Formats: sequence, structure tokens, C-alpha cells
Amino acid sequence: DIQMTQSPSSLSASVGDRVTITCRASQSISSWLAWYQQKPGKAPKVLIYKASNLQGGVPSRFSGRGSGTEFILTISSLQPDDFATYFCQQFSGYPYTFGQGTKLEIK
Amino acid sequence: QVLLQESGPGLVKPSGTLSLTCAVSGVSITNTNWWSWVRQTPEEGLEWIGDIYHNGLTNYKPSLESRVIISVDTSKNQFSLQLTSVTAADTAVYYCARTSIQNYYPYALDVWGQGTTVIVSS
Repeated sequence: DIQMTQSPSSLSASVGDRVTITCRASQSISSWLAWYQQKPGKAPKVLIYKASNLQGGVPSRFSGRGSGTEFILTISSLQPDDFATYFCQQFSGYPYTFGQGTKLEIK
Repeated sequence: QVLLQESGPGLVKPSGTLSLTCAVSGVSITNTNWWSWVRQTPEEGLEWIGDIYHNGLTNYKPSLESRVIISVDTSKNQFSLQLTSVTAADTAVYYCARTSIQNYYPYALDVWGQGTTVIVSS
């Protein structure tokens, strides 16, 4: 299985901050990576697909970049609605695997 | 609007079989997508279980493959999960989701059900 490792596991930030979350794959996955946001008691919601493509309806303050084994999710200016947990998932090969998550909390 | 809705027992006895169904509305299950099951626990996080195409083709997580069956019923526009010989470790929130495809390649789970909690306990 391809292992996905996110860092940091948790992060405290303030409204207006720029935040980056990293996801590393145990082997090259080209650009087959998606990012999700999950709020307590809710299903994950896709933000970014194929590493850098913004899902429809997702605010442009979210962006993704990377290829191969290292990927970054950036939130350019944190809004109150952005405090949640973020996951990456690879689609390069079965079984599709997720990162362990990054919990973004209010400072 | 595409909606997915999980249903099934919330409590399953150890060594029993967990059975869940995902009803799909707003789109035909026979269109060019795969349909996935994912589960989540605080300890293990999100775990992809497997997926199915409308023609019955399946893929499973290898560590679960001996206990998992995913099936599809195109007449009812739904797909199902069976997990046999369950233990407390199978206690989780189970989600069904659509795997979106572009040029024959999957790229995201873009629609999710709301999730259903299944507890394995006697």
C-alpha cells in the first residue's frame, strides 16, 4: 500500500493567517492526489483534485501544488469556516489511501 | 443534485456480518463512476474499503478482502457492503461515496453519504 503522511498533525492559527499543510507519499503518485476538509460529525468534502485543481464551489483561498511524493495544501487567508480537519488521499493505485489528517484549530 | 444515503443496522454482534446499503439519487449508478465504501475511526482515521463499477467489477483493500463483498443493484440504483466475521475493530462510521472519473482515471471521492455509525458489540 502507498503510505500517505501528513504534517503537521495539528496546527493552531488565526483568522487571516496563511496556512500550509504537507502530504508526502511513500512512492511517486504523479498528481493523483485529492485534499478534503472534514468538520465534526460530517462527511469529508473534496477541495482539490489532481493535486492542484480546485473543486467547483470551493473558495479560491484554497490551493494545492505538488507532484511525485510531496504535496502542499495552502489556505491563503484563514476564515472562521476553515477550522476543520484536512485529509489527503492518493488515487495512484489501489488501495486508495488517506493521510492521517491535520486538525486546524483556532489560536 | 447527487445524493447518497447509507442504511443498515447500527449494532452488529461479534463474529456476525455487517451489511449496509447506499441508495443513490440524482444520477444513475450506471454512469461512468465507481462507487466506494470508506470507514473512519478515531484511531485509524479514514480507511478506503473498496469500490464497485455498475457492471460488478470490484476492488478491495487487501487487508479486508477476505471478509468484504461489495455488490450493486442497478435496478434499485444502490450498492451494498457486507463485512463478515466482524470484531470490535470494525466499529466505525461507514461512508459510501462516489469516485469521480475523468478520462477513465479516478480523481476524487466527490459525493459522500452522511455516514452511519456501526458498533460491534454483544
